[in-house]
Amino acid sequence: AQTVTQSQPEMSVQEAETVTLSCTYDTSENNYYLFWYKQPPSRQMILVIRQEAYKQQNATENRFSVNFQKAAKSFSLKISDSQLGDTAMYFCAFMNRFNNDMRFGAGTRLTVKP
Amino acid sequence: DAGVIQSPRHEVTEMGQEVTLRCKLISGHNSLFWYRQTMMRGLELLIYFNNNVPIDDSGMPEDRFSAKMPNASFSTLKIQPSEPRDSAVYFCASSDTGVSYEQYFGPGTRLTVT
Repeated sequence: AQTVTQSQPEMSVQEAETVTLSCTYDTSENNYYLFWYKQPPSRQMILVIRQEAYKQQNATENRFSVNFQKAAKSFSLKISDSQLGDTAMYFCAFMNRFNNDMRFGAGTRLTVKP
Repeated sequence: DAGVIQSPRHEVTEMGQEVTLRCKLISGHNSLFWYRQTMMRGLELLIYFNNNVPIDDSGMPEDRFSAKMPNASFSTLKIQPSEPRDSAVYFCASSDTGVSYEQYFGPGTRLTVT
């Protein structure tokens, strides 16, 4: 079974600075997707970014980018120019493309300070 | 598109009562996922459907839980009888697995069983 580990329960960053959230996963599969979701206090789950395992190029979405290290099974999220609205829980997720089984990490609570 | 719609948004019920949670998928999506979120256990996948067919229900905690998908756009999650430990936020998510595998979440139903 796949497992997803987020080793940082809480993090904080000053507004306009850069922060990196860590995620590691364990799988024997070769065909999968990785995601980062954001959950603000409204509790809505919002997709931030996704990465296909077969792609070597790291995904980017505006201020959000990932560092995907397939051999190390690592998938970190970098948020540049942090904004107050980035304050939220961030969940790393793994999806097995064979059976669509989705597993989430425990989450990292990020606080952006003014 | 209005996105994934869940109802009710909040439900408070007494132990032993039947609870039905509802979810409407995004039009054109072919997969539906039910999740439960608690502080203790985080986000857990309960069951998912592909083209109205239940694919994996191994995450359903007990026989008290059941899920149906009577048509391509609608699903219910039923708990009968409910217990206080069922208190959680229940999310449904839909995706078009023929296109992108991204899951789009509904706003969630906060269930409180007293």
